[in-house]
Amino acid sequence: LAKTTQPISMDSYEGQEVNITCSHNNIATNDYITWYQQFPSQGPRFIIQGYKTKVTNEVASLFIPADRKSSTLSLPRVSLSDTAVYYCLVVTYSGAGSYQLTFGKGTKLSVIP
Amino acid sequence: DVKVTQSSRYLVKRTGEKVFLECVQDMDHENMFWYRQDPGLGLRLIYFSYDVKMKEKGDIPEGYSVSREKKERFSLILESASTNQTSMYLCASMGDGGETQYFGPGTRLLVL
Repeated sequence: LAKTTQPISMDSYEGQEVNITCSHNNIATNDYITWYQQFPSQGPRFIIQGYKTKVTNEVASLFIPADRKSSTLSLPRVSLSDTAVYYCLVVTYSGAGSYQLTFGKGTKLSVIP
Repeated sequence: DVKVTQSSRYLVKRTGEKVFLECVQDMDHENMFWYRQDPGLGLRLIYFSYDVKMKEKGDIPEGYSVSREKKERFSLILESASTNQTSMYLCASMGDGGETQYFGPGTRLLVL
């Protein structure tokens, strides 16, 4: 079962690029890595998902090295509205409706003016 | 646009009451999940369901039960609420294949 570890908190100035890394040493071959953003009193919101190498969308990029034991969420030029908690999730699908879902504890990103 | 809704945003109940939290999704997803979220502990999986009338225990099922009579609806039941069940409860749904989970807005439950 993949165990995920993330930094508890990070600070960044507006306009900077922010990289948040999640460690998942026991990730299995077919596991996907997903990142979510959560604001206070709201449910987590999907940001990006990947399996290997690099994925980019209009919001973020996700870097996954060849060994897949970690992943890095990259937020370009953050603004104050990016202040939130960011979670990584590893989903293990074992077939026949069997899932193992391992959320990290979340990284609280504070963007400073 | 995908949508997961939860019956209440805020709920106050007394110790010993039976509590129903309802979740509905409109994406025809097979899989639905209930989590609770507490400060410092992140999201913890209570139960999930991969099909109608099917359920699997998550990491912290004690004190909870679930019901999935229809594909779009997944209910979390607290048979006899206790103060340590005061928490934020989040429902999510996901299609087959272990891809993206979509979350509801959450229900903040206070048990007095």
